[in-house]
Order: sequence, then C-alpha cells, then structure tokens
Amino acid sequence: DAGITQSPRYKITETGRQVTLMCHQTWSHSYMFWYRQDLGHGLRLIYYSAAADITDKGEVPDGYVVSRSKTENFPLTLESATRSQTSVYFCASKGQLPYEQYFGPGTRLTVT
Amino acid sequence: DQQVKQNSPSLSVQEGRISILNCDYTNSMFDYFLWYKKYPAEGPTFLISISSIKDKNEDGRFTVFLNKSAKHLSLHIVPSQPGDSAVYFCAANGNNAGNMLTFGGGTRLMVKP
Repeated sequence: DAGITQSPRYKITETGRQVTLMCHQTWSHSYMFWYRQDLGHGLRLIYYSAAADITDKGEVPDGYVVSRSKTENFPLTLESATRSQTSVYFCASKGQLPYEQYFGPGTRLTVT
Repeated sequence: DQQVKQNSPSLSVQEGRISILNCDYTNSMFDYFLWYKKYPAEGPTFLISISSIKDKNEDGRFTVFLNKSAKHLSLHIVPSQPGDSAVYFCAANGNNAGNMLTFGGGTRLMVKP
C-alpha cells in the first residue's frame, strides 16, 4: 500500500520490557518523525531523521531509541518501557512542500 | 514552556454556523502556520496553512487568519458540518534545519446536527 503505515496499531506491554514500533513509508521522503500524543500536550516530537543514518533528538527523547538504516523505515524502540510512555505514537514523513507532514495512523501503546 | 497554545480544549457549534478555533504562539521566528485535522483512530491530516507574510488564506469553507502583532491565528469554518467534528491542531514551522513542527494541544470541535 502506498503511503505511511505503522505497526502494530495496538500494543500492551509490561513495565521494563523493550518494545519496538515500526514505521514504513513508500514515498522515499527524506525526513521522518516520531511524535507522541498525550491529552493536553498535543503532539510532541520524540526523534526525527533527515535521511538514512541521520537522526536527531526532538523535544521528548528520553527513554527512546531510533534507527534508520533504510530510507523507508524508521523504527522507534522503548528500551525499558515505563507507565509514563503509555501514549499514542505517530510517525510522519515530510513531503515536497516546505512544511507539510504526512502522518501514519498511529500506534496506541499501553504500559502496565 | 509551550510555544504554541490552543486555550480551548473543546468547542461545540450548531450545524450551518461558524466555527472559530484559536491558537496563540510565543516565538516570533515562526514563519509558517498550519492546521491539522484528526479523526479518532486516524493520523492527523493537513488542512490549511498560512505564511507569516500573509494575514489570510482561504480554501473553500476554511479560512485561516494570522495576526502577527498579537501572535494569534484562527481557523474559521463556514458553514460548519457534522463531518467537521474532529480534533484540530495548530502547528508552526520555524524554518529550522530539521523541518520540525511545533504543535498546540488541540481543540475538539463538535458540530451538532
């Protein structure tokens, strides 16, 4: 399917476990982003990537790790999940226009 | 410190009337402002934008107004339709090297039939 996809869509995990959220885009966009959505905070940037093998921290990077070995994939890993990481996670990529981002459908993560 | 704020968490409007969603920002370096719309269980989708060199941009039923001196922008939806019921996020792009967007907290719009 064309566009940007995320998997899994829903995930329940326990405190202390490692979790990886997947993001895949078919447009070959250079820039990709990971956000978390929490009530009252809107969307906050966790990490972003300008190209394969180039990543940088966003506003709330603590507890997360990213990698980007291929342009189309941008996985987000929670190394040791905590309850405060319960959230909805969105992946996005930037198109040709200077400001527009395309978002995936999101992953709802619950840490018990 | 939130650089982009949407002070109204929710708004209820009758179908056919005008919806006005507001957004305030603090960073005078922002040069593009965007509105995204989000339905439940879906990702946000781009709705409309405005450059800091303009004060108004219109696209069908949607108009965004920018008041740079007040650091305020608003989204007007006329006429409102039940399908417009969603969460609306205001965002700003500071023309930074990372092409990052800073989002507000969102406003949930409910349009009653």
